[in-house]
Amino acid sequence: DIQMTQSPSTLSASVGDRVTITCRASQSISSWLAWYQQKPGKAPKVLIYEASSLESGVPSRFSGSGSGTEFSLTISSLQPDDFATYYCQQYKSYPRTFGQGTKVEIK
Amino acid sequence: EVQLVESGGGLVKPGGSLRLSCAASGFTFSTCNMNWVRQAPGKGLEWVSLIETGSTNKYYADSVKGRFIISRDNAKNSLYLQMNNLRAEDTAVYYCARDQYIVATIPHDNWGQGTLVTVSS
Repeated sequence: DIQMTQSPSTLSASVGDRVTITCRASQSISSWLAWYQQKPGKAPKVLIYEASSLESGVPSRFSGSGSGTEFSLTISSLQPDDFATYYCQQYKSYPRTFGQGTKVEIK
Repeated sequence: EVQLVESGGGLVKPGGSLRLSCAASGFTFSTCNMNWVRQAPGKGLEWVSLIETGSTNKYYADSVKGRFIISRDNAKNSLYLQMNNLRAEDTAVYYCARDQYIVATIPHDNWGQGTLVTVSS
């Protein structure tokens, strides 16, 4: 199985900050990576697919990059609505696997 | 509007069984691969299973293989998860989620609200 490792586990930031979350795969997944945002008590929402493609309706301050085994999600200017937990997921092979999550907290 | 509505969750004893359902509407269900994803209380997301459009291929997480069975009824626009030999560690909110294929593969582009399964004596 492909293991996905996110860092950091928790990130404290202020409104307006640029933040980056990293995701590493245990083997190459090409660009078969998605990023999700989840708020407490809610279902996750897909932000990015194929490593860098922005899902329809997602603000352009979100961007994804990387390929192979190293990936990142960047929020260019953190907004109050962005405080949430973020997950990466590989969908190159089964079983699909998620990272452990990164909680973005208010500093 | 795409809607996915899960049902069937509840309290069950260890070793017991439960069948979850997901009713889909607002899109052509038969053309989408469908998933179950779960989240234990206070924990992260865990992908559980996927069934392809024609039910030919089904995939499972190692943690549920041999105990859970995914199925679908395209005529009823419904997805199911038969869960057998349940364990305490299966306690979680279970979500159904759609994969979208238009120009590209978008995994889990729509999710239900989730249904809570609690395994406890």
